[in-house]
Amino acid sequence: KNQVEQSPQSLIILEGKNCTLQCNYTVSPFSNLRWYKQDTGRGPVSLTIMTFSENTKSNGRYTATLDADTKQSSLHITASQLSDSASYICVVSALLLFSGGYNKLIFGAGTRLAVHP
Amino acid sequence: GAVVSQHPSWVICKSGTSVKIECRSLDFQATTMFWYRQFPKQSLMLMATSNEGSKATYEQGVEKDKFLINHASLTLSTLTVTSAHPEDSSFYICSASETRDQETQYFGPGTRLLVL
Repeated sequence: KNQVEQSPQSLIILEGKNCTLQCNYTVSPFSNLRWYKQDTGRGPVSLTIMTFSENTKSNGRYTATLDADTKQSSLHITASQLSDSASYICVVSALLLFSGGYNKLIFGAGTRLAVHP
Repeated sequence: GAVVSQHPSWVICKSGTSVKIECRSLDFQATTMFWYRQFPKQSLMLMATSNEGSKATYEQGVEKDKFLINHASLTLSTLTVTSAHPEDSSFYICSASETRDQETQYFGPGTRLLVL
């Protein structure tokens, strides 16, 4: 069964500190993995997207890693800011061969990050 | 580019009434639009996929007669929650894609629905 699991469910850190969010998946066949940031009451915004051959990708203070062998990904946030407080969602794209090569996104439950001053 | 809007951003209605939510792609033509529902502290759950000019495809467990989806043009899709009940209160998010799959989709800001 295609699943995406994220940990921790929630996290509180102090402003300026670093943190790492985890994502494990059992999606096959794998197409790509994305990290989204979702502010409360808003739609998700894409942070990074990585294909099978990419190990790491950065977007400002956000750095995502991917280990396709162990099916694990992480999102590292450096020098956190109050505006980083949000839910971070790991999404894995599965290539649905039987549907003509279309992709389907499998969403994780997200990690709720709170950055306190 | 790739902006998706939703209207209204929030709505409060009485139980038994119907509510329509609009999703628009502002600067591109959306071959496919997706409707998601998100309950508090949970992730997005895909409700249905709609292609312009054809009937929507609903995910298992989603009542098509309760959640009416219309995708009349390449820039507009609507979700109508018919005879809304308190358990329908949720955050509804649409996304739009230029292709027929979910690979490249842009999310709208969401609509908060509260049914009293």
